[in-house]
Amino acid sequence: AQRVTQPEKLLSVFKGAPVELKCNYSYSGSPELFWYVQYSRQRLQLLLRHISRESIKGFTADLNKGETSFHLKKPFAQEEDSAMYYCALSSGSARQLTFGSGTQLTVLP
Amino acid sequence: DAGVIQSPRHEVTEMGQEVTLRCKPISGHDYLFWYRQTMMRGLELLIYFNNNVPIDDSGMPEDRFSAKMPNASFSTLKIQPSEPRDSAVYFCASTRDRATEAFFGQGTRLTVV
Repeated sequence: AQRVTQPEKLLSVFKGAPVELKCNYSYSGSPELFWYVQYSRQRLQLLLRHISRESIKGFTADLNKGETSFHLKKPFAQEEDSAMYYCALSSGSARQLTFGSGTQLTVLP
Repeated sequence: DAGVIQSPRHEVTEMGQEVTLRCKPISGHDYLFWYRQTMMRGLELLIYFNNNVPIDDSGMPEDRFSAKMPNASFSTLKIQPSEPRDSAVYFCASTRDRATEAFFGQGTRLTVV
């Protein structure tokens, strides 16, 4: 069965500092991975997906199959990045998402 | 499109009462998912539908939980009887044609006292 692990429930960094949110997965097939973000009082929304290899709001994430990781990184954190971040893996016939437990990121002024 | 719409946004009920959560998916989306979010367990998939048909309900915690999708634009998640441990935020999400981006509603925060 698939599993997504986010080891940090809480992460605080200062504005301008680099940030890395960790995500590890276990899945027997070829993984399709995502990062979703939930800003305060807003709905969960897609931030980025590994197949796009894009940078959104300065965030990037690289799939490392050897380490089964998909860490989210940003070189210079901004206060507006404060949110809950979920790593997710898509699998099954409906490509349903299996989520990690989430990391609450707080960017301090 | 207004996106996925859930109602109510907040629900407070007494233990033993029936609770019904509602979801309107994005028009044209043929997959609908119900998730539960708690501090302890994060986001868990409860059940999903394809073209209004329940496909996988293995995530439904107990027989007290049931879900229906009578048509393409409406789904309900019912808890009867409710218990305090059911307190959580319940999210509905929809996708189109196995597309990989899921669109989420704003959730229903359920508190059972």
